[in-house]
Amino acid sequence: ETGVTQTPRHLVMGMTNKKSLKCEQHLGHNAMYWYKQSAKKPLELMFVYNFKEQTENNSVPSRFSPECPNSSHLFLHLHTLQPEDSALYLCASSQNRDGAYEQYFGPGTRLTVT
Amino acid sequence: AQTVTQSQPEMSVQEAETVTLSCTYDTSESDYYLFWYKQPPSRQMILVIRQEAYKQQNATENRFSVNFQKAAKSFSLKISDSQLGDAAMYFCALAGSARQLTFGSGTQLTVLP
Repeated sequence: ETGVTQTPRHLVMGMTNKKSLKCEQHLGHNAMYWYKQSAKKPLELMFVYNFKEQTENNSVPSRFSPECPNSSHLFLHLHTLQPEDSALYLCASSQNRDGAYEQYFGPGTRLTVT
Repeated sequence: AQTVTQSQPEMSVQEAETVTLSCTYDTSESDYYLFWYKQPPSRQMILVIRQEAYKQQNATENRFSVNFQKAAKSFSLKISDSQLGDAAMYFCALAGSARQLTFGSGTQLTVLP
């Protein structure tokens, strides 16, 4: 496996379900991110983890719960979602060192909440 | 706060021709990075090109080049010899000292055979 991988690629869940999205990076990076991409809107940063510590939570509802057990893995736990949460969820990683600002993205999980 | 504006929701170009995608931004920082990302229909976001704000020379990557106008806060992407595989959504992005990317709303590029 290379780069940033995400599973599952597609997920359909009811509003009462609990599910988790998984992201894994194979680049040796130390920062990981969750983004939400909705149609016709810019990417929205949700969470940032640096060295496994959460450093950013952009006013995300508590029905989204991130977890970063180590620098290579990132999860997004979902519960009691709303239909407006349907979107593409992208994971990204980057190396936190001087001069390295670019982020590398996974293929995303297409989430549909019914 | 940082903002990134892409005023062209859609663009089209004939295969083998050149197209320029526009991007303007606003930031109070003096040290920042600018990026163009490409998101093809497969949805994998790919870094196309990056520009450090302290560098006056415009970045180039094969058929992709930028026109970085720091005073005007403009960062356009030029694609030369367009190919069918260039068809995608293109996002302009800015990263400041916090290293977090602020994205524009994207430009959907269609390449016509």
